[in-house]
Amino acid sequence: SAVISQKPSRDICQRGTSLTIQCQVDSQVTMMFWYRQQPGQSLTLIATANQGSEATYESGFVIDKFPISRPNLTFSTLTVSNMSPEDSSIYLCSVDSSGTSYNEQFFGPGTRLTVL
Amino acid sequence: KQEVTQIPAALSVPEGENLVLNCSFTDSAIYNLQWFRQDPGKGLTSLLLIQSSQREQTSGRLNASLDKSSGRSTLYIAASQPGDSATYLCAVIPGAGKSTFGDGTTLTVKP
Repeated sequence: SAVISQKPSRDICQRGTSLTIQCQVDSQVTMMFWYRQQPGQSLTLIATANQGSEATYESGFVIDKFPISRPNLTFSTLTVSNMSPEDSSIYLCSVDSSGTSYNEQFFGPGTRLTVL
Repeated sequence: KQEVTQIPAALSVPEGENLVLNCSFTDSAIYNLQWFRQDPGKGLTSLLLIQSSQREQTSGRLNASLDKSSGRSTLYIAASQPGDSATYLCAVIPGAGKSTFGDGTTLTVKP
């Protein structure tokens, strides 16, 4: 299994500002995933981050709004830029056990963001 | 496009009851299916992973089954406890590409 930590655990931000969320994994992983979970809804994949290459964004998500860094095999950041109240969500970092045949997914504790 | 449905959306049971949560998916070409638990405002905790070649997995009071041909998985919780109260999500994991999550079943176990 993988142990994942996220910072901050929660934040309250003003409209128009940006927040960077950090994700740290206790082992080296090829792919890291960033999800958004809006209130009362299920998970939506924002992007997949591979070390050494540009992140791959899902439909409806763009790099200018959600820039991602992946400087090494254990760390990634997601920035939520120019925030609006619609960005209020839980943001989740995830990895899978790729490299095995299982592809079991593991999640961090999440960052609960409220935008005023 | 894979679609995952979880029924019921919410379930309330008295402590001690056995219960079943359902997950159905439209495309049977899956690699794995995974069940998660999510407490309010928190991340997801992996409960069980069933590989496509398996029919069930067990962990303590939890048993998950998989029937690929009918596009269904169930999560059985035995002797439910108030601490089991949470939202339970299933995720279909393809051989390539992104996972698809259901909307979850919110379980309340009353003392």
